[in-house]
Amino acid sequence: QVQLVESGGGVVQPGRSLRLSCAASGFTFSAYHLHWVRQAPGKGLEWVASTSYDGSDEFYADSVKGRFTISRDNSKNTLYLQMNSLRIEDTAVYSCAREGDDAAGANAFDSWGQGTLVTVSS
Amino acid sequence: QAGLTQPPSVSKGLRQTATLTCTGNSNNVGDQGAAWLQQHQDHPPKLLSYRNNNRPSGISERFSASRSRNTASLTITGLQPEDEADYYCSAWDSSLSAWVFGGGTKLTVL
Repeated sequence: QVQLVESGGGVVQPGRSLRLSCAASGFTFSAYHLHWVRQAPGKGLEWVASTSYDGSDEFYADSVKGRFTISRDNSKNTLYLQMNSLRIEDTAVYSCAREGDDAAGANAFDSWGQGTLVTVSS
Repeated sequence: QAGLTQPPSVSKGLRQTATLTCTGNSNNVGDQGAAWLQQHQDHPPKLLSYRNNNRPSGISERFSASRSRNTASLTITGLQPEDEADYYCSAWDSSLSAWVFGGGTKLTVL
């Protein structure tokens, strides 16, 4: 079955950097677009960034553009999120999500990881 | 980036029918449609429907979705206690080149 497992979260001071990873299994990793979505404590879902199946296209939310970088290593079945110049308002659980394909889940996030908590605090 | 609009809360009785709404514009919901996600406390979201009214394998027929112009709806029939959760809509916005979510609707089953 599809598994997405995030890691790399923790407590970091404002202005510092952190890199998140998402290890995938149970599907052909290189065939799917992947995304990072975050959820601040007690708040709703917020899309962060997306990468196409081959990494050739990237999209970012305005709130993280220029500070965060999404990337993927299809040889390692792993998705990354490099987060620089972190702000207090970046505090959230960060989850990776798979975008479904035309067979099922098209234009939707059809599989999610459990998430990793990032706390930005001085 | 502007999000989709959902009512913050809806309350319905056991075995009743709840209809949740999600309003966007012609660049998102009105373009490629919306998806619906269910999230229970401290759990990751679960996809309930995509492209307006397609259910992933394993999702109960009690959940059905539709769209009318720029508004998507999720109807849950025969409400059960386990349906009490937060429900989010999502869509790709072709004008913003960004994914947008609704703020979420907390469904309470009385």
